[in-house]
This record gives sequence, C-alpha cells and structure tokens, in this order.
Amino acid sequence: DAGITQSPRHKVTETGTPVTLRCHQTENHRYMYWYRQDPGHGLRLIHYSYGVKDTDKGEVSDGYSVSRSKTEDFLLTLESATSSQTSVYFCAISERGWGNEQFFGPGTRLTVL
Amino acid sequence: AQSVTQLGSHVSVSEGALVLLRCNYSSSVPPYLFWYVQYPNQGLQLLLKYTTGATLVKGINGFEAEFKKSETSFHLTKPSAHMSDAAEYFCAVTTTEGNQFYFGTGTSLTVIP
Repeated sequence: DAGITQSPRHKVTETGTPVTLRCHQTENHRYMYWYRQDPGHGLRLIHYSYGVKDTDKGEVSDGYSVSRSKTEDFLLTLESATSSQTSVYFCAISERGWGNEQFFGPGTRLTVL
Repeated sequence: AQSVTQLGSHVSVSEGALVLLRCNYSSSVPPYLFWYVQYPNQGLQLLLKYTTGATLVKGINGFEAEFKKSETSFHLTKPSAHMSDAAEYFCAVTTTEGNQFYFGTGTSLTVIP
C-alpha cells in the first residue's frame, strides 16, 4: 500500500468552527489531491497540488483552502465549517499528473453539526 | 472536458455468476481509464487501468476491462463472482490535457450466496 495517512480519521465539529485535515505521504510523489465523497456524487475534487506551494482549485473548492509547505504534507482547511461540508474526505497522491493512477488514503469522516 | 457515466448504481449477482459493471466515458481526446474498488470504511484501491496499447486490460482479483473506442465504453467484468467482491466500484477518466480525474458516481456490487 502507498504510504498515505490522514488525520484525524473521524471528527465532529460545530457549524462556524475552523477545521484542518492533514494528509501525509511517504512516497515523495509530486501531486496531491483532496476529494470529498458524498452519496450519489462519487468523488469530487476540491483542490490539488502539483508541487510545494503550488496548488489549484478543483470542482468544489468554495469554502475550502489548502496549503502545501512540504512535499509530504497537504492540508485542507475549512475556514468556517457548514453542515453541507459533512462528508468523507479523501487524500490522494500521484507521481505524475496526467495518465497516472492516484493512490488514496483511508479517508476522514467529518460531521458538522 | 471529460465525464464518466456508470450505468446502474446497484448491481446484484449470485456467487459464481458473471460480474458486469458498465462504464461509459466522454472525452474529446484519447482517454486514460481506471477502475477502483472501495471496501466499506476504506479508501479507493486501483483495480486496473488503460492508458495505451492493448485494449483488454487485466487487473487484480480476476477482474478485467476492455476499452472500446467506438462505444466509448470501459466495462468491468469478472467471470465468477466471489463473496469478497462485494464493494463499491468507481470508474474514472483522465487525459493528457489535465491533472484531474473525473469519477463516476459508483456502482455498489452485492454478491448473493
């Protein structure tokens, strides 16, 4: 298995509070991604990174920000959590961007009350 | 832009029967296609991929898929279902033009003893 960990694995928070999810990889892959998974929607890309300090928006980026200060870490922040952000969040990595398979972390289940 | 359609959000088969999960894609350029499997409370695991070359692709756990350009399809098959195949399956497409995957909404496979 690719060395990808996510923390926390479960979190319950209240509306309006900030939340940061962490993805850590030991594969030294250049590309990292954050997805959310919701019933009936599959996986939707939130943000991705193509290098340290290089990030870009995905399909559903509103309400989320990311940072990547080191190759191995990619942080996803919900500045002010809302109930619509209740979801399962997955981090993924790939060695190259296009045409390359992505390897997924175990996920973080976030509940916003 | 690319997109993926998975026909049938739920598929049930008897143990030992053929598994057929359907995936159709849309892409204006040659696609790269993937099938992932997700077991309960886990991340996604790559089953197989098509990039170039042979159109019949074999993956792990006895699964295979055939890329049919004329039908814009990449259906997943397995000759004989096993109880351990019960999971959610996702088809995904990407191309050389971008760094993003587009996932289908998933097909939940149930295997009946």
